[in-house]
Amino acid sequence: AQSVTQLDSQVPVFEEAPVELRCNYSSSVSVYLFWYVQYPNQGLQLLLKYLSGSTLVKGINGFEAEFNKSQTSFHLRKPSVHISDTAEYFCAVISPWDSGGYQKVTFGIGTKLQVIP
Amino acid sequence: GAVVSQHPSRVICKSGTSVKIECRSLDFQATTMFWYRQFPKQSLMLMATSNEGSKATYEQGVEKDKFLINHASLTLSTLTVTSAHPEDSSFYICSARLAGGPYEQYFGPGTRLTVT
Repeated sequence: AQSVTQLDSQVPVFEEAPVELRCNYSSSVSVYLFWYVQYPNQGLQLLLKYLSGSTLVKGINGFEAEFNKSQTSFHLRKPSVHISDTAEYFCAVISPWDSGGYQKVTFGIGTKLQVIP
Repeated sequence: GAVVSQHPSRVICKSGTSVKIECRSLDFQATTMFWYRQFPKQSLMLMATSNEGSKATYEQGVEKDKFLINHASLTLSTLTVTSAHPEDSSFYICSARLAGGPYEQYFGPGTRLTVT
């Protein structure tokens, strides 16, 4: 079984303040981890991904995330947020391809980031 | 690069009719496409995984006879909602994975379906 938990449904933060959006996961196999951002009435845009290697990954728009295997976490951070960062953020885990060509994809419930001017 | 389009962006249909949603990868070939459904204020729910030239793999609880998926080419997948009912109203999003590429999916802008 595979699951993703985003602990905070909404995170209000003042402009130029730092922010951390939390993501924990569980899986019986090694997985690949992603953060996506969704603006209102739009599809999802990839922010960053962890496939292997360095546990600190940097993405677009100044975001970064750290993979912590022992804590099964992949928290998203930004040192200074802007009004334009107001959006919904989704954490996702994807399992490797199995022999049948199937790949399990699981999204978290999302965290709404509200940047306050 | 890696742009995915969906058509239509919005559709309103009457109960009992069928609606087809197209998902296209515009500048790359996608051997695998995914269809998601998103309810208001909820996460994306994977409905099915579609591989080019083969039958789609549906997630548990998704009616394959109701949500028909066709992946006829490396750049096009379609989702047909048959005999739509008001409870099928939702935001449907497709995504595509690059053929031979890494694991991330590129998402379309979504289709808002309203069944009256």
